[in-house]
Amino acid sequence: EAGVAQSPRYKIIEKRQSVAFWCNPISGHATLYWYQQILGQGPKLLIQFQNNGVVDDSQLPKDRFSAERLKGVDSTLKIQPAKLEDSAVYLCASSLALWTDTQYFGPGTRLTVL
Amino acid sequence: ELKVEQNPLFLSMQEGKNYTIYCNYSTTSDRLYWYRQDPGKSLESLFVLLSNGAVKQEGRLMASLDTKARLSTLHITAAVHDLSATYFCAVDYNQGGKLIFGQGTELSVKP
Repeated sequence: EAGVAQSPRYKIIEKRQSVAFWCNPISGHATLYWYQQILGQGPKLLIQFQNNGVVDDSQLPKDRFSAERLKGVDSTLKIQPAKLEDSAVYLCASSLALWTDTQYFGPGTRLTVL
Repeated sequence: ELKVEQNPLFLSMQEGKNYTIYCNYSTTSDRLYWYRQDPGKSLESLFVLLSNGAVKQEGRLMASLDTKARLSTLHITAAVHDLSATYFCAVDYNQGGKLIFGQGTELSVKP
């Protein structure tokens, strides 16, 4: 079974530029999550989708971050404009359903903002 | 606000020794997860604990959950170098998949 796919794996940008990350969840997984993991910390949930609807985006900085999951499969996370403090690894995870016990994580995208 | 605290944050062990990592959380939940993360890698699911008193074991690792004490433990038996990694516990905040992670415990097992 193929795992969660993410691209790109690494990205370096200047502050105030924009950037987008892509995630393809495990086939058949209805729930998709985006996490931000700052170096030395645990992941922090940014947004949670069930199919193509948003379940929770309470920790998403909506003035600069946006996410969508068109057709309930792939998802993109965008940052515009980026700040220095956005430097982190952005992890995508998926699970069969909201109440399913395990979230499976992708390899992540490491973002460096200069 | 739910807080999840792990201790210790850093653990240096000798091979063959036993140790326990603790995960405390601040509000009611009966779903707790343990993940492993190797340097530069993503998170790998280790255990899912879904009820009070749940105990799961895989190889040299055993996890347990006490929902009344709001405490989970990850016990390492006879550590080997391959267990060196960062271990995270995560609590399901609302039974709907919103995971709140601890800070992680960086484990180093030395010969």
